Amino acid sequence: TQLLEQSPQFLSIQEGENLTVYCNSSSVFSSLQWYRQEPGEGPVLLVTVVTGGEVKKLKRLTFQFGDARKDSSLHITAAQPGDTGLYLCAGDPQTSGSRLTFGEGTQLTVNP
Amino acid sequence: NAGVTQTPKFQVLKTGQSMTLQCAQDMNHEYMSWYRQDPGMGLRLIHYSVGAGITDQGEVPNGYNVSRSTTEDFPLRLLSAAPSQTSVYFCASSAGQFQPQHFGDGTRLSIL
Repeated sequence: TQLLEQSPQFLSIQEGENLTVYCNSSSVFSSLQWYRQEPGEGPVLLVTVVTGGEVKKLKRLTFQFGDARKDSSLHITAAQPGDTGLYLCAGDPQTSGSRLTFGEGTQLTVNP
Repeated sequence: NAGVTQTPKFQVLKTGQSMTLQCAQDMNHEYMSWYRQDPGMGLRLIHYSVGAGITDQGEVPNGYNVSRSTTEDFPLRLLSAAPSQTSVYFCASSAGQFQPQHFGDGTRLSIL
């Protein structure tokens, strides 16, 4: 059982559409990180959210951390082909001896 | 800036062979880790190190050894390669375990 569940697993949309991907857990996290991974490369950090209810914007990307710090979402407005990639969330569980935990990722394809 | 450098980028081994995957970082990060990435399973932690001379097991350590003789280098050794170890391996470094991770570009390993 994954501590962090990401949905959807795959998403294929047309350029210009909006989309939201989710990162959910039954556990509380001190913080959540979002990464994007392009083919043949390692994941690259997009943002870290720390406070419950926090919203961060990165150009057309909007990240939200749930009030209870158990979930997060990534919303992309007017998607472009350059947004194509694997989006990963990673969290810092609030349990003793825990390690940084990654979700399985959402593979996004934006078609021109 | 080099960041995290992994070598080799690709490798094909026969079952039973041994090899070392190299990882070096130039950011003076104390925390380094090795992950494997398999379809549908996300990033799984193999081994990690919180500083020179200190290593510990992650989620899937069997069949792998690590050492950390310097802050910069964190090699991963496969003692006797098995087909189940076919995967993409990523090395990461950070200022701390729950800080943003800086990933290398990965080593694509096939075991025949």
